[in-house]
Amino acid sequence: EAGVTQFPSHSVIEKGQTVTLRCDPISGHDNLYWYRRVMGKEIKFLLHFVKESKQDESGMPNNRFLAERTGGTYSTLKVQPAELEDSGVYFCASSHEGQGVRGYTFGSGTRLTVV
Amino acid sequence: GEDVEQSLFLSVREGDSSVINCTYTDSSSTYLYWYKQEPGAGLQLLTYIFSNMDMKQDQRLTVLLNKKDKHLSLRIADTQTGDSAIYFCAESQAGKLIFGQGTTLQVKP
Repeated sequence: EAGVTQFPSHSVIEKGQTVTLRCDPISGHDNLYWYRRVMGKEIKFLLHFVKESKQDESGMPNNRFLAERTGGTYSTLKVQPAELEDSGVYFCASSHEGQGVRGYTFGSGTRLTVV
Repeated sequence: GEDVEQSLFLSVREGDSSVINCTYTDSSSTYLYWYKQEPGAGLQLLTYIFSNMDMKQDQRLTVLLNKKDKHLSLRIADTQTGDSAIYFCAESQAGKLIFGQGTTLQVKP
């Protein structure tokens, strides 16, 4: 079974530019989550999709962040325009319906650096 | 509050035991978790403990939970260089994880 795939693995962009991160969950996993770790700090929840619907987006920092999951398969997280404080590692996780947190599988993350 | 607190760094010698500590705030958390992140890799679930337990052992790993003090610890016996990583404790709230800042474990040969 392929794991959760995220790309790019690294991205360096200038302040004000746009970046789109992608997450491919494990096939058949209805739940998809985005988290991020700003350097040296805790990993924070951003949002949760169930299939194509946003179940909980309480962790999205502001309206410069847009997450989509069209068709309920892969998800994208777009940051536009990027600011310096957006630098960090963005993690995606997926799980089967009803599995909850113990069923999470995390991807390797995308390291975003805004300069 | 949602704070989960961990010490940031621990250095041990190979073969010694490592103890990583964590405090959490939400007494209603059903499960508490330990995740490991190796360099360049994703978050790997190491172990978890149900909140009505006070200890769980899994090979070299021992998790201790003091629910009264909201204190969780992870003990790694016979620490190896391959155990060098960042360790995150986490509690679950409403289906999402609340993580600590992570403890970087350095294992010296």
